[in-house]
Amino acid sequence: KNQVEQSPQSLIILEGKNCTLQCNYTVSPFSNLRWYKQDTGRGPVSLTIMTFSENTKSNGRYTATLDADTKQSSLHITASQLSDSASYICVVSANTNAGKSTFGDGTTLTVKP
Amino acid sequence: KAGVTQTPRYLIKTRGQQVTLSCSPISGHRSVSWYQQTPGQGLQFLFEYFSETQRNKGNFPGRFSGRQFSNSRSEMNVSTLELGDSALYLCASKAGTGSSEQYFGPGTRLTVT
Repeated sequence: KNQVEQSPQSLIILEGKNCTLQCNYTVSPFSNLRWYKQDTGRGPVSLTIMTFSENTKSNGRYTATLDADTKQSSLHITASQLSDSASYICVVSANTNAGKSTFGDGTTLTVKP
Repeated sequence: KAGVTQTPRYLIKTRGQQVTLSCSPISGHRSVSWYQQTPGQGLQFLFEYFSETQRNKGNFPGRFSGRQFSNSRSEMNVSTLELGDSALYLCASKAGTGSSEQYFGPGTRLTVT
């Protein structure tokens, strides 16, 4: 069964600090992995998308890594800002005609001043 | 290009009633997926439509149904509403089938009283 597990479930950090969110998956055959940011009451917005051959991808202060061998990904946020407070969702898609996506439950990040 | 739009943004209904939500995908996108998100839970996949045909379906009761029109706009219907149906309903569109990136709308917040 395809699964995506994210940790921690929630995280509180001080403004300016760095943090790392984790995503472990068992989706097969693997196609790509995306990280989304979802502000409260809004739809998710894509941060990064990574394919099998990509190890690292950055989007401003967000850096995602992918280890396809261990089926793990991380999202590193540098110099956090209050606006980074949101839910971060890891989504893994299978390389099939249906291209079905499996969603993690998300990590809720709170950045405090 | 305009993004994914959903109407209405907020809705309050009474238990036992039915509701219809609408989603207009990004121009040129032919795939539309629907998700339910309840507080503290991840996104739960409802169904996906492509070229007016349902391609994938999640594990939801038959009270949840959808359709897609020739212009790719999609509607989701929930009949005999229950209190547990209160959620944020998200629509996402993508260009084709397979694992291309999905773009989410802002969601419809449904409250059932």
